[in-house]
Amino acid sequence: EAGVTQFPSHSVIEKGQTVTLRCDPISGHDNLYWYRRVMGKEIKFLLHFVKESKQDESGMPNNRFLAERTGGTYSTLKVQPAELEDSGVYFCASSLQGAFNSPLHFGNGTRLTVT
Amino acid sequence: AQSVAQPEDQVNVAEGNPLTVKCTYSVSGNPYLFWYVQYPNRGLQFLLKYITGDNLVKGSYGFEAEFNKSQTSFHLKKPSALVSDSALYFCAVRDGRGYSTLTFGKGTMLLVSP
Repeated sequence: EAGVTQFPSHSVIEKGQTVTLRCDPISGHDNLYWYRRVMGKEIKFLLHFVKESKQDESGMPNNRFLAERTGGTYSTLKVQPAELEDSGVYFCASSLQGAFNSPLHFGNGTRLTVT
Repeated sequence: AQSVAQPEDQVNVAEGNPLTVKCTYSVSGNPYLFWYVQYPNRGLQFLLKYITGDNLVKGSYGFEAEFNKSQTSFHLKKPSALVSDSALYFCAVRDGRGYSTLTFGKGTMLLVSP
């Protein structure tokens, strides 16, 4: 089966610009998660979709971040306007079962650099 | 709140020697524990998990981990390290009661020398 794919793999933008990250989960996986890792730090949870609904968005840093999953398939994460502290690697993951009991399947991540 | 501590930024071991990557956790309810591995420029891959049952769990690539409730630890182990095991390892925990997110540690880089 095709794995979780993320696009782009790298993005370099200037402070104040907008960036949109995309994630295509494994087909049939209703659960989709976004995580972020700042260099050398923990991988932080951002939010969790079940199909097209937001199950948990408690990890979203602020209202500059907007996640969508229209139709319950792929998801986008938009950062507008970007700030320097938004730099990091953004991971998307999906799973067949929710509640985090089943293993998460991760994409390769998008490395975002805000200059 | 739940948390994970990986006290070592890096672990160095010679090929053929046993390896241990340490993890301790804090959670209110029963812990569900996981290990993931990340190879360069790749996403995280699931290695193993502990939900309930036997304290020693076996996973992919010959790795195993031991759940120790009294020490709140879930150390990752392998009897004989390979150079190809060199990667970044993440421990993660969630509270087994109801819904809770998966909390990761900051990762431990494992370097296996030939």
